[in-house]
Amino acid sequence: GALVYQYPRRTICKSGTSMRMECQAVGFQATSVAWYRQSPQKTFELIALSTVNSAIKYEQNFTQEKFPISHPNLSFSSMTVLNAYLEDRGLYLCGARAGGWNQAPLFGEGTRLSVL
Amino acid sequence: GEQVEQLPSILRVQEGSSASINCSYEDSASNYFPWYKQEPGENPKLIIDIRSNMERKQIQELIVLLDKKAKRFSLHITDTQPGDSAMYFCAGAATGGNNKLTFGQGTVLSVIP
Repeated sequence: GALVYQYPRRTICKSGTSMRMECQAVGFQATSVAWYRQSPQKTFELIALSTVNSAIKYEQNFTQEKFPISHPNLSFSSMTVLNAYLEDRGLYLCGARAGGWNQAPLFGEGTRLSVL
Repeated sequence: GEQVEQLPSILRVQEGSSASINCSYEDSASNYFPWYKQEPGENPKLIIDIRSNMERKQIQELIVLLDKKAKRFSLHITDTQPGDSAMYFCAGAATGGNNKLTFGQGTVLSVIP
């Protein structure tokens, strides 16, 4: 079956350092990959959306300089949190879908980031 | 962009009774509305969805209603069980080709035995 694999599941980094997380689509080709962050006690904030043959679109309050994303092929995406601080804590989810807007993205298990 | 409001934020019901969660959206072009269930420490999982060509959809004990005129949609869980206790999120898809899904704020459902 189709699933989305995220790595690592949990990670801790020192304040001011960077952390890279990966997202792998298994069993399907991800035409679009969305990265979300769920901060403690909050809903899901869309960080950026990466669609095949289109530039990566970042949401307000999120920038490429802070959250660079790579989407080299239809099965893999990675995102780095640069210079992580306390406010970057949370669960980072990768949602990938094979089709268009009327299909629900399949989420990975997420990468839970703690910052010391 | 699209805004999705979700209420209530906390919902406690007795086992066997029904639970209802309501969401509203702003973008009349939104045509797809999935619902996710998230258990503690887990990722959100799709439980049911509805498209704009439907007003009602049911999967076992889950019922979703969509009122396009009022821009509202709701999730109803009938005959709730303790296993239904979780965080629930509604979402709406902004059309126009950008594939963006906007989530509601979430509802913590507790089913009391």
